[in-house]
Amino acid sequence: AQTVTQSQPEMSVQEAETVTLSCTYDTSESDYYLFWYKQPPSRQMILVIRQEAYKQQNATENRFSVNFQKAAKSFSLKISDSQLGDAAMYFCAYRSNSGGSNYKLTFGKGTLLTVNP
Amino acid sequence: NAGVTQTPKFRVLKTGQSMTLLCAQDMNHEYMYWYRQDPGMGLRLIHYSVGEGTTAKGEVPDGYNVSRLKKQNFLLGLESAAPSQTSVYFCASSSIFGGARPQHFGDGTRLSIL
Repeated sequence: AQTVTQSQPEMSVQEAETVTLSCTYDTSESDYYLFWYKQPPSRQMILVIRQEAYKQQNATENRFSVNFQKAAKSFSLKISDSQLGDAAMYFCAYRSNSGGSNYKLTFGKGTLLTVNP
Repeated sequence: NAGVTQTPKFRVLKTGQSMTLLCAQDMNHEYMYWYRQDPGMGLRLIHYSVGEGTTAKGEVPDGYNVSRLKKQNFLLGLESAAPSQTSVYFCASSSIFGGARPQHFGDGTRLSIL
């Protein structure tokens, strides 16, 4: 079974600075997707960014980018120019691309990000 | 766009009571999922469905039942609520088509069992 590990229960960053959240995963598969979800205090689960394992280029969405190291099974999230609205719980998630998996998500335990003004 | 709608948003139950959480999606998605979120545990899959009339167990299915009689609805039932089922419950759906097939989440239901 796949596992996702987020080793940083809490992180903090100054407004306008850059922060990196870590995620590692364990899988024997080669075809999969990785996701970062953001959960603000409103409790919504918001998709931040996604990465397909077969794509070598790291995904980028505005101020959010990932460092995907397939061999090391590492998938970190970098938030540049941090804003107060970035304060949230961030979850890393893995999803097999095998139809037999029924596309279930496996989540890490989350990293609580605080943004200091 | 409604997306994924969960009802109710909050509920308090007494031990032994039963209740049903409703999830409705208007995106014509084939896959639907129920998760529970507990502090320090992330989200864990309870049950899921790959289509109307089908359901399957996830990681933590004990104490829950589900039904998917209509494609757009996925119901989660607690037959005899226990304090250990105090949690925030999320429903999600995704399409069978497309590469990433991201899951779209509802806003969650906070359930307290006294």
